[in-house]
Amino acid sequence: EVQLVQSGAEVKKPGESLKISCKGSGYSFTTYWIGWVRQMPGKGPEWMGIIYPGDSETRYSPSFPGQVTFSVDRSISTAYLQWSSLKASDTAIYYCARRRYTINWFDAFDIWGQGTMVTVSS
Amino acid sequence: DIQMTQSPSTLSAYVGDRVTITCRASQSISTRLAWYQQKPGKAPDLLIYEASSLESGVPSRFSGSGSGTEFTLTITSLQPDDFAIFYCQQYKSFSTFGQGTKVEIK
Repeated sequence: EVQLVQSGAEVKKPGESLKISCKGSGYSFTTYWIGWVRQMPGKGPEWMGIIYPGDSETRYSPSFPGQVTFSVDRSISTAYLQWSSLKASDTAIYYCARRRYTINWFDAFDIWGQGTMVTVSS
Repeated sequence: DIQMTQSPSTLSAYVGDRVTITCRASQSISTRLAWYQQKPGKAPDLLIYEASSLESGVPSRFSGSGSGTEFTLTITSLQPDDFAIFYCQQYKSFSTFGQGTKVEIK
């Protein structure tokens, strides 16, 4: 079964750092782009960007300039989303998702992780 | 940034109804559009890509149409499992989602 499994919920204080994970299985992890999507409480999804596990090439959304960093560990088929200094406004559910297998940089997401709830509160 | 605007925001319908949701792009996106269904507490599920291509495993009562700046998602004969929030997503230039359309039971 093709799936993405994300790490568990996190509760952090403003200013703290955080790294959440997304482990792929059931497919060739290095040949599909992985995207990250933010969904704030009661709002629609927001596309944060994508990373190609094959060579770690990234495309960040202009709406999230310098706020987050994507990375991968190919040896364990896992993608990461990290923050160096969290803010209360980072409180949201974060999804990883597999981009469809096409030649385009940007495309739809066909497989989604279950989401990781991140709460930032003092 | 390409902005995506969905209408209506909320839609009340009966089981068996034909339902249409509209998504408008702030500039032409050709057919670079997807539709998703999201149920409470779950991740979005891909229904339609390239404006009108049905994702594998999605029931044929779902269909998409449009190109350029105006797109529609149609559900023929609404089923109890279809009540959810639906989002469009453009992927012509980076990617942005619409604000969602909630389909409620009437």
